[in-house]
Amino acid sequence: DAMVIQNPRYQVTQFGKPVTLSCSQTLNHNVMYWYQQKSSQAPKLLFHYYDKDFNNEADTPDNFQSRRPNTSFCFLDIRSPGLGDAAMYLCATSRDQGYEQYFGPGTRLTVT
Amino acid sequence: QKEVEQNSGPLSVPEGAIASLNCTYSDRGSQSFFWYRQYSGKSPELIMSIYSNGDKEDGRFTAQLNKASQYVSLLIRDSQPSDSATYLCESSGDKLTFGTGTRLAVRP
Repeated sequence: DAMVIQNPRYQVTQFGKPVTLSCSQTLNHNVMYWYQQKSSQAPKLLFHYYDKDFNNEADTPDNFQSRRPNTSFCFLDIRSPGLGDAAMYLCATSRDQGYEQYFGPGTRLTVT
Repeated sequence: QKEVEQNSGPLSVPEGAIASLNCTYSDRGSQSFFWYRQYSGKSPELIMSIYSNGDKEDGRFTAQLNKASQYVSLLIRDSQPSDSATYLCESSGDKLTFGTGTRLAVRP
């Protein structure tokens, strides 16, 4: 089945220690998104790629970076995680901008 | 700032009843609207998409869009306890915007 896969599902990192989360898709969608979701809050869009074009949200901290080496894979790098970065990180894809999104299962990040 | 507003709930309905979830949006340029269901600790799952005024039905779910009133709703007929979740409304205008979600509780 076509799907969006995220690894790892659970990640524990230390304060200030860089961490990378990964996302892959078999849907061959053009757009890939990264969201941060904290408890009882809506998903917050961090950035998205339309093909190779990177689009950063204005309020996304510089501590968060992303790479999309090819159509199938996208990575979220947190350079120096703080306690406030503990959250669920969701990857989503859509065939084009303005279309429905398909979410991966998420990675729950804990910062100690 | 463009916003999507939802009543946070919880909305409590008895099993078998119709659950009505509402959403208003401020960006008049929004063209696409989506409803997602999110169980606790899980990722959002697409329920319905709607692009034009009127009703769109899919099984027990009906999405309604009124662009003049900037209003989107989701009706769930014959509600089941398994429908208990948070329902997120999303608009796609110049940017994607989620509402904060409405928590639905279906009591047996």
